[in-house]
Amino acid sequence: DAKTTQPTSMDCAEGRAANLPCNHSTISGNEYVYWYRQIHSQGPQYIIHGLKNNETNEMASLIITEDRKSSTLILPHATLRDTAVYYCIVRSRGSNYQLIWGAGTKLIIKP
Amino acid sequence: DAGVIQSPRHEVTEMGQEVTLRCKPISGHNSLFWYRQTMMRGLELLIYFNNNVPIDDSGMPEDRFSAKMPNASFSTLKIQPSEPRDSAVYFCASSSASGGALETQYFGPGTRLLVL
Repeated sequence: DAKTTQPTSMDCAEGRAANLPCNHSTISGNEYVYWYRQIHSQGPQYIIHGLKNNETNEMASLIITEDRKSSTLILPHATLRDTAVYYCIVRSRGSNYQLIWGAGTKLIIKP
Repeated sequence: DAGVIQSPRHEVTEMGQEVTLRCKPISGHNSLFWYRQTMMRGLELLIYFNNNVPIDDSGMPEDRFSAKMPNASFSTLKIQPSEPRDSAVYFCASSSASGGALETQYFGPGTRLLVL
């Protein structure tokens, strides 16, 4: 599976949109981009995933570039409860159970 | 839905003791995963079950670790004997894998293990 690169940490003001970038320049055609987050002392929580089209759900939006080498997770109106470590993971059908976890981005929402 | 249930939530034990961690996956899910998380190594997959059968245990650190899934609604991870370096948070996750489709893994709250 392709590796991902994320910034170590980011700050965002409460109520503003939080944009979390992820680079996955070696992604292959059958690999999906997944986002999870882990709030302190809790288990990881699924957020969203996509292949090549932009995706939106009740939690967030996922924007994938046309060349698929990078993506951005958008939390439209960040709240203090969105403070967490956010993990970007690429995952292929061939390894349908493996999630390779990097270090993630520590997102801090400030009041 | 109750989500993935793990017990105990916290465990403190002494080196050499046996530790058993328990997991109840989401009803209807047929895949179960055990992970370990430490500051040094992050999240690591220990073992993966599909339809109660261990498929990949390559992440199990050594023979002191064993995992079982006697039925679709219960799994255990056992450490015997435990060592201080086993101190970590252990997560159980489940998913409803179907025909190779990518299914979302749902995680439990974890068990914080401290081995003194």
